[in-house]
Amino acid sequence: GAVVSQHPSWVICKSGTSVKIECRSLDFQATTMFWYRQFPKQSLMLMATSNEGSKATYEQGVEKDKFLINHASLTLSTLTVTSAHPEDSSFYICSAPLQGHSYEQYFGPGTRLTVT
Amino acid sequence: QKEVEQNSGPLSVPEGAIASLNCTYSDRGSQSFFWYRQYSGKSPELIMSIYSNGDKEDGRFTAQLNKASQYVSLLIRDSQPSDSATYLCAVNRGNDYKLSFGAGTTVTVRA
Repeated sequence: GAVVSQHPSWVICKSGTSVKIECRSLDFQATTMFWYRQFPKQSLMLMATSNEGSKATYEQGVEKDKFLINHASLTLSTLTVTSAHPEDSSFYICSAPLQGHSYEQYFGPGTRLTVT
Repeated sequence: QKEVEQNSGPLSVPEGAIASLNCTYSDRGSQSFFWYRQYSGKSPELIMSIYSNGDKEDGRFTAQLNKASQYVSLLIRDSQPSDSATYLCAVNRGNDYKLSFGAGTTVTVRA
């Protein structure tokens, strides 16, 4: 299977600061990546679609100015949580589809964000 | 109506038994169907994909797809305690790479 990595795996930050999370496809190129958020005991919530070389597409209700997404290369997408608040504490997971393989998507290991 | 619905859990099965998970989807044009396993505190892991009607077997897992009934299922044979996890059904409509996920069914295998 395809490998997707995320960094950092966990981060603690103070309220009001910004945090950047990286998502990399290690052994394949990904023109599209997805960012999800998951609260404890809840299902995945798609936040946005990251497109290489163009603007991200955000799901309804997700603040694009708060969750900045950059997809600068075919193997890297970043999510920056700006002016983080305690309610942003969550498990952030990225995924990338293996193009040409009938839409199979592979997930990164996730980043656990705690805002104090 | 939700796009993807899974049978409500939690599902508790004894070790060695068959765990049966069900999923229905609303978009008749859906093309690709996936089962992911998610352990507590971890990210989802792809365990099965199925694209045409019928059964697909991989080890102890069997996925079944019936497009006419808009139904996909996952059977776990000879369930092991290590199978205890939440199983997510995901569907792709075929027009982009976006997946629609069900809420998940939590399976507990009793030793």
